[in-house]
Amino acid sequence: QVQLVQSGAEVKKPGASVKVSCKASGYTFTTYYIHWVRQAPGQGLEWMGVIIPSGGSTSYTQKFQGRVTMTRDTSTSTVYMELSSLSSEDTAVYYCARAASMVTYFDYWGQGTLVTVSS
Amino acid sequence: DIVVTQSPDSLAVSLGERATINCRSSQSVLHSSNNKNYLAWHQQKPGQPPKLLIYWASTRESGVPDRFSGSGSGTDFTLTISSLQAEDVAVYYCQQYYTTPLTFGQGTRLEIK
Repeated sequence: QVQLVQSGAEVKKPGASVKVSCKASGYTFTTYYIHWVRQAPGQGLEWMGVIIPSGGSTSYTQKFQGRVTMTRDTSTSTVYMELSSLSSEDTAVYYCARAASMVTYFDYWGQGTLVTVSS
Repeated sequence: DIVVTQSPDSLAVSLGERATINCRSSQSVLHSSNNKNYLAWHQQKPGQPPKLLIYWASTRESGVPDRFSGSGSGTDFTLTISSLQAEDVAVYYCQQYYTTPLTFGQGTRLEIK
């Protein structure tokens, strides 16, 4: 069965970076895109960007341009999302989600990774 | 960016009654090339990730109970739960995937009256 398993919770200081992983299983890794969505405490869902595992191409929303980097390791079927220059406003649960393309629906979600930014 | 707005923000419905959630996009999400509406509905229960319920505005995901249905076209959409069950308590989000940046509605919290 399809699974997206994310890395564990992180606590970071302001100005630091965080790298969250999303390990895919149960399907051919290179045939689906992986999107990243975040959710601040008690808030709604915010799309951050997408990576195409087959070639590594990425597309980021303007808000995170210059601060986010999405990469993949095809040997382990894992996608990574690194966010730099963290502030308290980046405290959120970060989700990876699978989709068949850049503009289609998410059919599977990871369990989420809580990133807390606090001094 | 396409702005997606849901109404109401919260809703309380009695068990067995109908629940209706509305979603409006700031521009049409109907693609002329395939006549499909690029809109999905997700359900999020407390402490859980979102779960896909409906895609292409009205196609129910496999395993989703048939009391959930989606309708609408263009800019106006509706999620209907025909007979509310206790396990349907959740926050519901609509999402457009017509173009990037992909955007979500603010969510509708559904509770039992």
